[in-house]
Amino acid sequence: DIQMTQSPASLSASLGETVTIECRASEDIYNGLAWYQQKPGKSPQLLIYNANSLHTGVPSRFSGSGSGTQYSLKINSLQSEDVASYFCQQYYDYLTFGSGTKLEIK
Amino acid sequence: QVTLKESGTGILQPSQALSLTCSFSGFSLSTTGICVSWIRQPSGKGLEWLADICWDDGKGYNPSLKNRLSISKDTSNNQAFLKITSVDTADTATYYCARSTGSLYYFDYWGQGVMVTVSS
Repeated sequence: DIQMTQSPASLSASLGETVTIECRASEDIYNGLAWYQQKPGKSPQLLIYNANSLHTGVPSRFSGSGSGTQYSLKINSLQSEDVASYFCQQYYDYLTFGSGTKLEIK
Repeated sequence: QVTLKESGTGILQPSQALSLTCSFSGFSLSTTGICVSWIRQPSGKGLEWLADICWDDGKGYNPSLKNRLSISKDTSNNQAFLKITSVDTADTATYYCARSTGSLYYFDYWGQGVMVTVSS
């Protein structure tokens, strides 16, 4: 099984800041990675797929990058509506999710 | 407009079987490449993929739960189903169905989720 290690577990940042969340896979997942945003009490919503492709309708301040075993989600110009938990998911070999990052506004 | 909505038993006792229904619109499970998955999330915790079923009736299961899961579909009525046998308290979670455009892929649309509690 491919394990996904996501960091940090929680993050506090100021409005307008840039934040980065990372996921490390236990083996090469060849860009088979998605990022989701889950607001409190809501279902996850797709942000990024194939490591760096922005899903339709997602603001351009969200971006994904990485390769091999290391991937990251960057949020530029943090907005209040970005308060949420963020999860990575690999789909190269079966499906596994990272443990999540809870993002709060400082 | 793609929408999915889960329904099912809210409270069960240990050892009972859980039956869940995903009713969807805006797409068809007879369209090439389309799949529907079930994913669960215990309160305050992470996400766990359970199973998927695809347009060609192909099915995939989480190996750690495979012997307890059964997924099926009713293409005519735009529904997918999941049955979990012999539930216990560890199965308490919110259960989501989600659409993907391939088996074992990323999920572009999710339902709102249904909360299931297993308690004696």
